[in-house]
Amino acid sequence: QKEVEQNSGPLSVPEGAIASLNCTYSDRGSQSFFWYRQYSGKSPELIMSIYSNGDKEDGRFTAQLNKASQYVSLLIRDSQPSDSATYLCAVNYSNYQLIWGAGTKLIIKP
Amino acid sequence: DTGVSQDPRHKITKRGQNVTFRCDPISEHNRLYWYRQTLGQGPEFLTYFQNEAQLEKSRLLSDRFSAERPKGSFSTLEIQRTEQGDSAMYLCASRDRGYGNTEAFFGQGTRLTVV
Repeated sequence: QKEVEQNSGPLSVPEGAIASLNCTYSDRGSQSFFWYRQYSGKSPELIMSIYSNGDKEDGRFTAQLNKASQYVSLLIRDSQPSDSATYLCAVNYSNYQLIWGAGTKLIIKP
Repeated sequence: DTGVSQDPRHKITKRGQNVTFRCDPISEHNRLYWYRQTLGQGPEFLTYFQNEAQLEKSRLLSDRFSAERPKGSFSTLEIQRTEQGDSAMYLCASRDRGYGNTEAFFGQGTRLTVV
């Protein structure tokens, strides 16, 4: 059974601090990893993709991938109240299969 | 707007009625997914199309659900004899061709309420 695990939260972080979101996956053959943000009542919106071990930075967002530990994370620097949302981790297991975590609810406190 | 488009955005229907949703993917994307999402859960896979071919359908999906993508462009999802448990957000996503690595982009979703 292919699984993607996320802590459901809520994760509460003060404004301006770093928010750290984590995701683990079960299949070592996975090649592609995605982070999505979802506001309440809206559809998921792509934030970042990562394919290679290490860090990938895009503005205030950094994705980190460790295939040996089957672990992918998302760091949000200088957290803003507008970052409050649910963050979904998705893992590509085959040519087309995307397996989704249940998401972590992030709350940024002003 | 060249993003993924879904119609309608909201649908309220009485139990037992049939409903049909439409998804127009990003034009050059050959891969199309339907998902269902309920509160506090991640997207639940329903079915996948590559061009006009339906390559996978979730084993959890009852026979009341059917999807088509007749010309490899837009897709429809039909739910027959709706039940209250079908109330959810129905999401469509598309991806460009390319082995595995391309990102999926979602439409705005169709929120279904069965009363």
